[in-house]
Amino acid sequence: GDSVTQMEGPVTLSEEAFLTINCTYTATGYPSLFWYVQYPGEGLQLLLKATKADDKGSNKGFEATYRKETTSFHLEKGSVQVSDSAVYFCALNYGGSQGNLIFGKGTKLSVKP
Amino acid sequence: DTAVSQTPKYLVTQMGNDKSIKCEQNLGHDTMYWYKQDSKKFLKIMFSYNNKELIINETVPNRFSPKSPDKAHLNLHINSLELGDSAVYFCASRQYDTDTQYFGPGTRLTVL
Repeated sequence: GDSVTQMEGPVTLSEEAFLTINCTYTATGYPSLFWYVQYPGEGLQLLLKATKADDKGSNKGFEATYRKETTSFHLEKGSVQVSDSAVYFCALNYGGSQGNLIFGKGTKLSVKP
Repeated sequence: DTAVSQTPKYLVTQMGNDKSIKCEQNLGHDTMYWYKQDSKKFLKIMFSYNNKELIINETVPNRFSPKSPDKAHLNLHINSLELGDSAVYFCASRQYDTDTQYFGPGTRLTVL
């Protein structure tokens, strides 16, 4: 079945460091790919998405590119801030009647000042 | 103007009790979901409803039952609560012909 694998956390960085969170997927078809973020004590918010190969999603300085050849959707940010501390989830879905999200296990990011 | 809301935010109860969690969305979406997040933050789909019809029913215990009185609401009823039901439950909604889901703030259920 379809699945999403994320790098294990927690990840601890200093402010202004470069961030990469790896995500790879296994899919039988051509899903859309997502990054959701969960700030402490809050629900999930969509961070960015990409719907087809070579698409790049971006938001708030974060970027991820849909790589079909490597089945990856790695999240990057050039300079993290303390306010980026959160849990990040990579996910996929197909939309339509099979619209439920399949999540990775989440990666906790802590940014120190 | 909360898009997806859940009540209550926190729920503490005893084993064996029956409880409900409510979810409402004002986005006009036609598909709603319930997800469970365990203590390790892992998220898994429980149910989804499209136009008041259950279209996904993962292998959750039949003590859990979703009920949708109308397109804007999907409530979760849990009978005979067990310790292992302690988790955070998230409601989400989506428009059928799009792929983006919008999540509620979550309900933290603690079973003692």
